[in-house]
Amino acid sequence: GNSVTQMEGPVTLSEEAFLTINCTYTATGYPSLFWYVQYPGEGLQLLLKATKADDKGSNKGFEATYRKETTSFHLEKGSVQVSDSAVYFCARVDSGGGADGLTFGKGTHLIIQP
Amino acid sequence: DAGVIQSPRHEVTEMGQEVTLRCKPISGHNSLFWYRQTMMRGLELLIYFNNNVPIDDSGMPEDRFSAKMPNASFSTLKIQPSEPRDSAVYFCANTLAGESTDTQYFGPGTRLTVL
Repeated sequence: GNSVTQMEGPVTLSEEAFLTINCTYTATGYPSLFWYVQYPGEGLQLLLKATKADDKGSNKGFEATYRKETTSFHLEKGSVQVSDSAVYFCARVDSGGGADGLTFGKGTHLIIQP
Repeated sequence: DAGVIQSPRHEVTEMGQEVTLRCKPISGHNSLFWYRQTMMRGLELLIYFNNNVPIDDSGMPEDRFSAKMPNASFSTLKIQPSEPRDSAVYFCANTLAGESTDTQYFGPGTRLTVL
């Protein structure tokens, strides 16, 4: 079945460091890809998305590019802040006109130290 | 709009008791989803509805779980009888009619503890 694999954490970085969280997906169909963020004690918030190959999603300094050739959707940020500490989930949904459930990766816990 | 509303936010119950989780989706939604989050299994889709009709309940773990959507403004997820392994955070999410059907908006979740 469809799946999403993301790097395991926790990932610990210093403030202002460059961030990459890897995500790959199974190459079936034409999925839309997402990054969601979960802050402690809260629900999931959509961070960014891309719906087709070569699309780049961006928000709050985060970026991810839909790479069909490598089936990847890696999350990047040039300079992280302490407030970026959270759990990040990569997810996919099969596009096709109707809504469908999201398939999530296991989540990557990001810790940013001052 | 207040976003997706879930109640209760926290529920502690004893094994064998019935538990009912509630969700009020964003006004104007067209699809509603129930997810469960645990440390061991991560986020899993339990069931989803399109226009109040259940479409896929293959993620519902067993017959003790049931979900209903009697109208466009309300959905429930019921566990009867509850067991300790049901302890998790349960999220409700929905898509908005008129937007891309891909984007889902999540509620704050209900943290269930079954003793």
